[in-house]
Parts: sequence; C-alpha cells; structure tokens
Amino acid sequence: TQLLEQSPQFLSIQEGENLTVYCNSSSVFSSLQWYRQEPGEGPVLLVTVVTGGEVKKLKRLTFQFGDARKDSSLHITAAQPGDTGLYLCAGTGAGSYQLTFGKGTKLSVIP
Amino acid sequence: DVKVTQSSRYLVKRTGEKVFLECVQDMDHENMFWYRQDPGLGLRLIYFSYDVKMKEKGDIPEGYSVSREKKERFSLILESASTNQTSMYLCASSLTPYEQYFGPGTRLTVT
Repeated sequence: TQLLEQSPQFLSIQEGENLTVYCNSSSVFSSLQWYRQEPGEGPVLLVTVVTGGEVKKLKRLTFQFGDARKDSSLHITAAQPGDTGLYLCAGTGAGSYQLTFGKGTKLSVIP
Repeated sequence: DVKVTQSSRYLVKRTGEKVFLECVQDMDHENMFWYRQDPGLGLRLIYFSYDVKMKEKGDIPEGYSVSREKKERFSLILESASTNQTSMYLCASSLTPYEQYFGPGTRLTVT
C-alpha cells in the first residue's frame, strides 16, 4: 500500500511570510499532484509533476518533485489570505488510475 | 474548462433510506471516481469506473454501489443509509491516469 504523509498538518502564518509544506513517501510515484481545497468545496488541481527533480512555478507557488520521485514540496512566497485552504498532495503508481492522497496541510494566512 | 457537477450540495436523509448521488462531467472523460472525505481520514476511494458499465471497487466499497449507464454520468448509491455514512462525498473525472477534476461535493447527513 502506497502512503503519502504530509507535514505539517496545520500551519498558521501572517500575511507576507513564506512557507513550505512537504509530502513524503517510502514508495516511488510515477506522478504527483497538488490540490487546494476551500471549505465546503471540492479540491482544485494546482499542478502535476512527473519527472524526478522537476520544479514548476505557478505565480508565488513553487512545486518540486524529489529526484527519487518519493517526495514533493510546495513553497509559497509572500503568502496572502487568499492562499488559505487545505493543500493536498496525491500520487499515482505506474500504470494506475488511482490516486493516493495525503491527509493534507491546513493553511491559514492571517491578514 | 472541465466541469464536474453533483446533483446536490447538501442532503439530509434518514437511516435506512436509499440514497442516490449523481455526478455528471462534460469533458468526455473515460474515468470517473467517487470518494468520501472525513476529518482525520482524508479522501478515501469508494468506487471508480474506467468505461461505461465498468466499475471497480476502491478502498471502502462496503455499503455502496455504483452505476454508469452513460459516459458522462456516474451515480453512487447507498442501499440503506446509516449514520456512519454521514460524510462529504466527492466525485471526480479524469482523462489521464492522473489529474483528476473534482465536483463541488455533496455533504450528506444521515440521521
């Protein structure tokens, strides 16, 4: 069974601060996705990474896939209140259509 | 943009009732999924379908069944609702083995 562990579980920061959340596994994933979910809504796909060592940027968000494809990180620069939400990582094994989800990092950005 | 819609945002049912949750996607995706999301447990896969009339059990299929008569529509059925099925239910669709697109969710309360 593939498991994804996210850390920290909860993060509360002031507007303008930087932060990093982590997604780790002992298993290799063929791809890894990051989603953001707002209260009462479904998760929204932010990015997909598929190559070990890959870095993708989405405005103030930087996503990295580990060289061994077992871990990933999400870095937010100058966080804003609109970044508040639950950040979920999810991965797929080779040839699988199923996503394994982490339990998420709940981020609160205080104005 | 991919659009996944779910028939109800909020639903209250009584123990023992038969409950239908409907999901429709407009992007001609082959794959559709039903998850439930509970605090502390994350997203758990109930059933998925990779083609019309095809279905596969996920991690927690007990107490649920599904129907996929048309490509765009995937229904989740609770044959006899129980209080432990109170949860947020999320439908998703995908074309690739990853990058799932989620609906807004149905918050089901069974009393």
